[in-house]
Amino acid sequence: GENVEQHPSTLSVQEGDSAVIKCTYSDSASNYFPWYKQELGKRPQLIIDIRSNVGEKKDQRIAVTLNKTAKHFSLHITETQPEDSAVYFCAAKTGGSYIPTFGRGTSLIVHP
Amino acid sequence: NAGVMQNPRHLVRRRGQEARLRCSPMKGHSHVYWYRQLPEEGLKFMVYLQKENIIDESGMPKERFSAEFPKEGPSILRIQQVVRGDSAAYFCASSPMGQGNTGELFFGEGSRLTVL
Repeated sequence: GENVEQHPSTLSVQEGDSAVIKCTYSDSASNYFPWYKQELGKRPQLIIDIRSNVGEKKDQRIAVTLNKTAKHFSLHITETQPEDSAVYFCAAKTGGSYIPTFGRGTSLIVHP
Repeated sequence: NAGVMQNPRHLVRRRGQEARLRCSPMKGHSHVYWYRQLPEEGLKFMVYLQKENIIDESGMPKERFSAEFPKEGPSILRIQQVVRGDSAAYFCASSPMGQGNTGELFFGEGSRLTVL
């Protein structure tokens, strides 16, 4: 089955800096890559996703890039703010499955 | 449109007791997923159900755990004879069928089980 590795497990940045979280996946048939944000004690919520027919997608301060050849994708957050502090999960899913496989999560801490 | 509703939000059980966790999917959603979250371990898939059918239970422990999604009522994750290692947050998620399914999962707030 699919295996998703996520790094780093913890990321500490100063407000205004950029943050990058990287994930790799094993199944070359995966074609859907969502990112979820989970604030402390809250539910995970989708913040951005990308499909394998595009290499990059941007939504205001967040962007995701995908390299299908290398089987890795990354989340980029620019101009970080304290409210960006949360755990971020990447995931990968094949077209033939309804079940995404999640990475272990990255705890992002933005210091004011 | 109410979101995914899980209850109880917090549950305390003693070793050997049973835990029942309930999940009502979003209106119009017919797919339900259960994930377990342990500290430092992310979201681990347990089971995927549609109404009256278990589609994929490859992540469920072979013993003591069961899940159902009846024709009427919420999905239920049942853990019999709980042990301390079952302490975790259990998240339910739902998604719609067919063309409405973009791949996004809509999560509930989770049920936090503590086994004493």
